[in-house]
Amino acid sequence: DSGVTQTPKHLITATGQRVTLRCSPRSGDLSVYWYQQSLDQGLQFLIQYYNGEERAKGNILERFSAQQFPDLHSELNLSSLELGDSALYFCASSDKGGDGYTFGSGTRLTVV
Amino acid sequence: AQSVTQPDIHITVSEGASLELRCNYSYGATPYLFWYVQSPGQGLQLLLKYFSGDTLVQGIKGFEAEFKRSQSSFNLRKPSVHWSDAAEYFCAVGALFSGNTPLVFGKGTRLSVIA
Repeated sequence: DSGVTQTPKHLITATGQRVTLRCSPRSGDLSVYWYQQSLDQGLQFLIQYYNGEERAKGNILERFSAQQFPDLHSELNLSSLELGDSALYFCASSDKGGDGYTFGSGTRLTVV
Repeated sequence: AQSVTQPDIHITVSEGASLELRCNYSYGATPYLFWYVQSPGQGLQLLLKYFSGDTLVQGIKGFEAEFKRSQSSFNLRKPSVHWSDAAEYFCAVGALFSGNTPLVFGKGTRLSVIA
């Protein structure tokens, strides 16, 4: 157990739908990062939150949004889902960048 | 722009043989460098990291990596591979002293181990 909890582990949904992925960071970590992992694109950075505030944005689609709550857990919202959104979505947390990230086990999203 | 290149998509080695996985990076600032391993169906686990100092760093599971600034490389090595090392390996780079900036990952190298 890495200390980063992601739920659900698997999600199957239809095109056009909306889903929410949840991440609880490791105790004490203030930063949360979301990554999308697909076979052709590898690990793509989506968005980062630090202590409730958006810190950096990567290749995140406008259909996707995220937030970090006061208890530091984070949610990634994916809407108007397309087949191409099928991927593994990872959350990672860190206390400061130099120590690297602790990853959760991911949410596998399948859009049918 | 920062980038990480892992030239080898897939490597197959025999159990007991030595291993070297290549990583080249492009980064404007002083880099933090990391190697992560991902077993099937799992998240990424940190193997080792380099900030400064000794350019040869030791990690978990018997892995080591050497930072070579002149070659912009941070290759991962293991003297004797075990079947349990079969996994996907990712090199990543971040910015030293800029704190909490997103890591940039390479596309990964898949390691297969044969008897």
